[in-house]
Amino acid sequence: GENVEQHPSTLSVQEGDSAVIKCTYSDSASNYFPWYKQELGKRPQLIIDIRSNVGEKKDQRIAVTLNKTAKHFSLHITETQPEDSAVYFCAASGSNAGKSTFGDGTTLTVKP
Amino acid sequence: EAQVTQNPRYLITVTGKKLTVTCSQNMNHEYMSWYRQDPGLGLRQIYYSMNVEVTDKGDVPEGYKVSRKEKRNFPLILESPSPNQTSLYFCASSLGGAKNIQYFGAGTRLSVL
Repeated sequence: GENVEQHPSTLSVQEGDSAVIKCTYSDSASNYFPWYKQELGKRPQLIIDIRSNVGEKKDQRIAVTLNKTAKHFSLHITETQPEDSAVYFCAASGSNAGKSTFGDGTTLTVKP
Repeated sequence: EAQVTQNPRYLITVTGKKLTVTCSQNMNHEYMSWYRQDPGLGLRQIYYSMNVEVTDKGDVPEGYKVSRKEKRNFPLILESPSPNQTSLYFCASSLGGAKNIQYFGAGTRLSVL
């Protein structure tokens, strides 16, 4: 089955700096890669996603890049703000849309 | 309002006492899933359903049962709970297809004593 590895497990940055979280996946059939943000005590919510036919996608301060050959994808957050502090999860799914595999999560702390 | 509703939000029980966590969605989504979240282990999929009467195992199905008799409901059943099932549980639903965006419920925190 699919295996998703996420790094780092914790990340601390100063406000205004950039943050990068990386994930690798094992199943070359995976074709959909979402990122979820989970604030303390809340449910995970989608912040950005990318499909395998696209190399990069941006939405204001966040972007995701995908390297299909290397089987890795990354989340980039620029100009970080304290409200970006949360746990971020990457995930992968493929032809079986019901099956999703998540990374172990990255706890991002943005220090004011 | 589009939402996924789980009940109860908090549950404390004892080993071996059967329990059911309910999940309902009002978005007419085909797919529904159950996940458990444990510190450092991310979200692990327990079971998922592609439609009414169609379910399949996720990565950690042992000790759990599910059913999908109606499109909107997907209950999680623990027939004989054990302490290692103490966890935070999330139900999610999605349209499937090209963008499998998961919409999560608020979570159920379960403690098995």
